[in-house]
Amino acid sequence: QVTLKESGPALVKPTQTLTLTCTFSGFSLSTRATRVSWIRQPPGKALEWLARIDWDDDKFYSTSLKTRLTISKDTSKNQVVLILTNMDPVDTATYYCARMAGPGAFDIWGQGTMVTVSS
Amino acid sequence: QSALTQPASVSGSPGQPITISCSGTSSDIGGYDYVSWYQQHPGKAPKLMIYDVINRPSGVSSRFSGSKSGNTASLTISGLQAEDEADYYCSSYTSSTPVVFGGGTKLTVL
Repeated sequence: QVTLKESGPALVKPTQTLTLTCTFSGFSLSTRATRVSWIRQPPGKALEWLARIDWDDDKFYSTSLKTRLTISKDTSKNQVVLILTNMDPVDTATYYCARMAGPGAFDIWGQGTMVTVSS
Repeated sequence: QSALTQPASVSGSPGQPITISCSGTSSDIGGYDYVSWYQQHPGKAPKLMIYDVINRPSGVSSRFSGSKSGNTASLTISGLQAEDEADYYCSSYTSSTPVVFGGGTKLTVL
């Protein structure tokens, strides 16, 4: 059974750095063609794709957030980490990690973790 | 990369069919057969309903179908049921960033 679960702080202050961890099971990020992405959703708003990391350590970022995002993986721990710097209240959202089935589809999603940015 | 364009809301009566459109460009929907659709109930994570334009994951009802014409993709739900009431999002592979989502459509079952 494939599962993913996000973890991280529920509250961060403006200008701080957010570090989120996606811990998964049922698949390996060392397997060819395996990819994991981060997606976020502000309250009442649409989904926004943030970043992707592939089995071969290729990394891709949202154009609008590229300068603030870093994605990495620890294959031995079955984890993917997302770092978002210089947090702002507009970054308040539920953050999801998801496994990708092919280049365009997210077949398994984590439950999401809500992050609020407030002083 | 601009978001794909979806109607904000659609509605239909139980048993009727509905279609949700998703408009993009030749750099996303029109250029690749990598359109997906997701269903999201309140407070829940999105669920993959259609991938690669027309394919249904195992376990998804055959009442859900996808199609594409030019730069526009569509999700059709035949025989609406109360449990279909949810938000629906389309997404597409793009030539610039790997994925772009639509703005979402709220489906109301009357």
